[in-house]
Amino acid sequence: DAGITQSPRHKVTETGTPVTLRCHQTENHRYMYWYRQDPGHGLRLIHYSYGVKDTDKGEVSDGYSVSRSKTEDFLLTLESATSSQTSVYFCAISGTDYEQYFGPGTRLTVT
Amino acid sequence: GENVEQHPSTLSVQEGDSAVIKCTYSDSASNYFPWYKQELGKRPQLIIDIRSNVGEKKDQRIAVTLNKTAKHFSLHITETQPEDSAVYFCAATTGNQFYFGTGTSLTVIP
Repeated sequence: DAGITQSPRHKVTETGTPVTLRCHQTENHRYMYWYRQDPGHGLRLIHYSYGVKDTDKGEVSDGYSVSRSKTEDFLLTLESATSSQTSVYFCAISGTDYEQYFGPGTRLTVT
Repeated sequence: GENVEQHPSTLSVQEGDSAVIKCTYSDSASNYFPWYKQELGKRPQLIIDIRSNVGEKKDQRIAVTLNKTAKHFSLHITETQPEDSAVYFCAATTGNQFYFGTGTSLTVIP
């Protein structure tokens, strides 16, 4: 597996609380992505980054924000978690060859 | 934006038979088409990809074909084995955003 880690791997939180998920890479790849995976929907892009401090929205960005202050770290924040944000979150990285590799995932439950 | 459709959503085959999964895309600017295999509880793993300047690519028992005119690409698995059982996703990209199909659950029956 490519050098991608995610933390935490599991989290249970209450509705209305802020949550931050971290993605860390050791590959020095330019692009980093956050996806959510839900049954019947496949993988849906939340936000992505194409460089330090350069980010853009994906198809399901409402309720999420991101930050990338270093090449190796990409943070996903749920400002005020809702039950609809219960999901499995995957970080991914890709380089100039487009090949995209996924992290191990974070299972988030919002009660 | 791009729209990727994937069929079938479920597929059962006998061990040793072939399996074919098809995807269509809408954006003619898409130029890279990866396929991922995801086992239960695991991360998606890149298994094969094809770029728009190539019509077919093969890697042992798996192959991918691309028809740019019709905007569709397919994954072919030959001599299927029980360990091929998983969910398979196709995707398309112009280089920044990746758009995924909704997945095909493949079951290989021993």
